[in-house]
Amino acid sequence: DQQVKQNSPSLSVQEGRISILNCDYTNSMFDYFLWYKKYPAEGPTFLISISSIKDKNEDGRFTVFLNKSAKHLSLHIVPSQPGDSAVYFCAGKTDSWGKLQFGAGTQVVVTP
Amino acid sequence: EPEVTQTPSHQVTQMGQEVILRCVPISNHLYFYWYRQILGQKVEFLVSFYNNEISEKSEIFDDQFSVERPDGSNFTLKIRSTKLEDSAMYFCASTGGNNSPLHFGNGTRLTVT
Repeated sequence: DQQVKQNSPSLSVQEGRISILNCDYTNSMFDYFLWYKKYPAEGPTFLISISSIKDKNEDGRFTVFLNKSAKHLSLHIVPSQPGDSAVYFCAGKTDSWGKLQFGAGTQVVVTP
Repeated sequence: EPEVTQTPSHQVTQMGQEVILRCVPISNHLYFYWYRQILGQKVEFLVSFYNNEISEKSEIFDDQFSVERPDGSNFTLKIRSTKLEDSAMYFCASTGGNNSPLHFGNGTRLTVT
């Protein structure tokens, strides 16, 4: 089941620079997309979401962009901080709010 | 900030044994979920639970699995006869309602030997 794909398993970025994480999806019935962050030995933590009727949502250093025609979304983190080093999961949902389809995740490492 | 808590953090069991994974969702939440992540694979939905019954379950959630809310605070996942392939990290999650993001616990690592 590859409804949500994160094709970059890892990303290294310098502190202060922008991190861009990408996510592609195949299910056109997704009506909401969410990004979660996960540290080792912890559960996923909600970061930011976007409705399918919007193309951008911003919350502090985090901005999510949605391109429905391309079935693509991205998460921008600017400026990146060392505490942002974690695995980031993209997820989509259809009608059932709690039934999320997760991507495989992207490991972000922010270097000094 | 309120948290979803899961116990134990690590459970080792022999194949064929029953295990119960425990979760305490956030107190005013109404919707409860179990997800799992097999090592190296994606986080997968198992089951959702609302109003004391299962709302939806995935193909993974077969007759070996069951969920229960035995009292006002706990939410449990039982695997009746564990298999080697049940080894995974199991995450409990809860939410207050539609359009509210899921809050996940820190997971229970289940190892079946």
